Amino acid sequence: GESVGLHLPTLSVQEGDNSIINCAYSNSASDYFIWYKQESGKGPQFIIDIRSNMDKRQGQRVTVLLNKTVKHLSLQIAATQPGDSAVYFCAERSVVGANNLFFGTGTRLTVIP
Amino acid sequence: ETGVTQSPTHLIKTRGQQVTLRCSSQSGHNTVSWYQQALGQGPQFIFQYYREEENGRGNFPPRFSGLQFPNYSSELNVNALELDDSALYLCASSLLGLDTDTQYFGPGTRLTVL
Repeated sequence: GESVGLHLPTLSVQEGDNSIINCAYSNSASDYFIWYKQESGKGPQFIIDIRSNMDKRQGQRVTVLLNKTVKHLSLQIAATQPGDSAVYFCAERSVVGANNLFFGTGTRLTVIP
Repeated sequence: ETGVTQSPTHLIKTRGQQVTLRCSSQSGHNTVSWYQQALGQGPQFIFQYYREEENGRGNFPPRFSGLQFPNYSSELNVNALELDDSALYLCASSLLGLDTDTQYFGPGTRLTVL
């Protein structure tokens, strides 16, 4: 079956430092990956996505890296701010079946002022 | 804000009851997906609706059903509620297509089953 997992359930960083959140996926057929941020009491918020024909994609202060060889995804947040504190989920979509996403458990990022 | 709205915000039901949750999709989107998020876990796919028909389903029993209306809004119905149905129910809207299918989530409905 498909599974999306995260290496670290929690991550604490100092304000201003860079954060790296990692994610492993098991379905080599997945063609699309998304990072979501979820704050307490809210729905997941889209951060950045990447398709399987790319290795890297950059947004504002965020970068997603995709390594299909080892089925690994990472989210890099530059100059982490207190507002970045949240749970981060990676999600994958398989090319087979509906446009549904498979989520991992999530990583809780805590930014220390 | 994503433009995806859900109602109600919170709901308390007892075992065996039925519940209907509602979702209004973002303007311009034609697809609604529903997810169940248990406490401390990632969202799990329930089903998706596209053009008023079910377009894929996750590993949920038939007592979970849905509808999509011509204006692309959607309902999630759960019959014979069980204690384990207590969760945050999320809907996500998208525009189905190869390059424009990012799913944007609403704030969710917190369902508690007693």
